[in-house]
Amino acid sequence: EAEVAQSPRYKITEKSQAVAFWCDPISGHATLYWYRQILGQGPELLVQFQDESVVDDSQLPKDRFSAERLKGVDSTLKIQPAELGDSAMYLCASSTRNPGQGEANFGPGTRLTVT
Amino acid sequence: QKEVEQDPGPLSVPEGAIVSLNCTYSNSAFQYFMWYRQYSRKGPELLMYTYSSGNKEDGRFTAQVDKSSKYISLFIRDSQPSDSATYLCAMSVREAGTALIFGKGTTLSVSS
Repeated sequence: EAEVAQSPRYKITEKSQAVAFWCDPISGHATLYWYRQILGQGPELLVQFQDESVVDDSQLPKDRFSAERLKGVDSTLKIQPAELGDSAMYLCASSTRNPGQGEANFGPGTRLTVT
Repeated sequence: QKEVEQDPGPLSVPEGAIVSLNCTYSNSAFQYFMWYRQYSRKGPELLMYTYSSGNKEDGRFTAQVDKSSKYISLFIRDSQPSDSATYLCAMSVREAGTALIFGKGTTLSVSS
């Protein structure tokens, strides 16, 4: 069964450092999401791509976060500089545009710890 | 008030019990309702997916949606220790290509 791939699985970084996460969605999925999940909370959307275009980045802290999906396939989320409050699980998900198959499929996540 | 409210628990039940998990929401435009299961330190996995009001059953799991009350439920019959996880409700206004709005998640523990 196809899965969303993410790397790294775990990342520890010091505050003020740069960090990047990578996501490879399920083949053929046009929509890609990055969510952030703080411990004890539900995932919250950071950015949504449709193919290579950003559809929604209203909740992305653009002073320090950036996201790209240059060829409409895999995606990178970057934080620079990292802050202590960025410690969380970063989840990537993908979905199709086809009716009846719109549910999002999540990857295993990247757990970020900022010290 | 958040768009989606979910009691975080924790909820502890003995093996074989019937479990009821619930969410309420405020946005009447939500039409697609999902339940995800998330094991510790893993990504969420889709359990149930329903459109509009009504019931949907899949093995030991039943999802109910009451749009008039803005209330959704997930029932787990004959609960097993392997059901111990966090259950997240999620909703969207359209089907494909729409971001999900999640509840906080309810942590369930099933003891043998």
